[in-house]
Amino acid sequence: SQTIHQWPATLVQPVGSPLSLECTVEGTSNPNLYWYRQAAGRGLQLLFYSVGIGQISSEVPQNLSASRPQDRQFILSSKKLLLSDSGFYLCASADRGLNQPQHFGDGTRLSIL
Amino acid sequence: AQKITQTQPGMFVQEKEAVTLDCTYDTSDQSYGLFWYKQPSSGEMIFLIYQGSYDEQNATEGRYSLNFQKARKSANLVISASQLGDSAMYFCAMRGVTGNYGQNFVFGPGTRLSVLP
Repeated sequence: SQTIHQWPATLVQPVGSPLSLECTVEGTSNPNLYWYRQAAGRGLQLLFYSVGIGQISSEVPQNLSASRPQDRQFILSSKKLLLSDSGFYLCASADRGLNQPQHFGDGTRLSIL
Repeated sequence: AQKITQTQPGMFVQEKEAVTLDCTYDTSDQSYGLFWYKQPSSGEMIFLIYQGSYDEQNATEGRYSLNFQKARKSANLVISASQLGDSAMYFCAMRGVTGNYGQNFVFGPGTRLSVLP
């Protein structure tokens, strides 16, 4: 089965600083990849998904961007963080097929000061 | 558009009792998959159980079972013999074929389950 590596686990950044969160996947090839954000006690907000290398779809306009430089690598970035970017960020991977679940990384807790 | 509704923001259950977490969905797809995830306070999302739209039998995985009523568009999660470790947020999700051709999952808002000793 798939293993999703996501780091760092916790990050504290000042407003206006850049961001780079990395996610790598083991145990599959050519998966769909996803970035979600979750506010405390709330549901999942889909930020980006990718169906292949270099193919990124954005679900929510914001100051974040995503890239997929390799098949099993997904990166979430920002040039200048806002206070509203605070939250819990989850990377997920799913094989194609309606019966295939998403597998999640352990998440990154991002606090903007 | 696809939508998942979980009407119970919070639920309490006594240890060793069974509990049902409600999930209703809205879709025009004929083929879709339904999933339940558990999110403990540590934050990781754990896949629990899957039900396909054409599956005639309800899915079961250990203490988890899915009460699938297709005509009512409901996919309730039943946890038998609750344990203290079952205390967590539970999310219902659906994967369909319209829109982004099955690339996206639609999640419900979640239900927070608290198991009482």
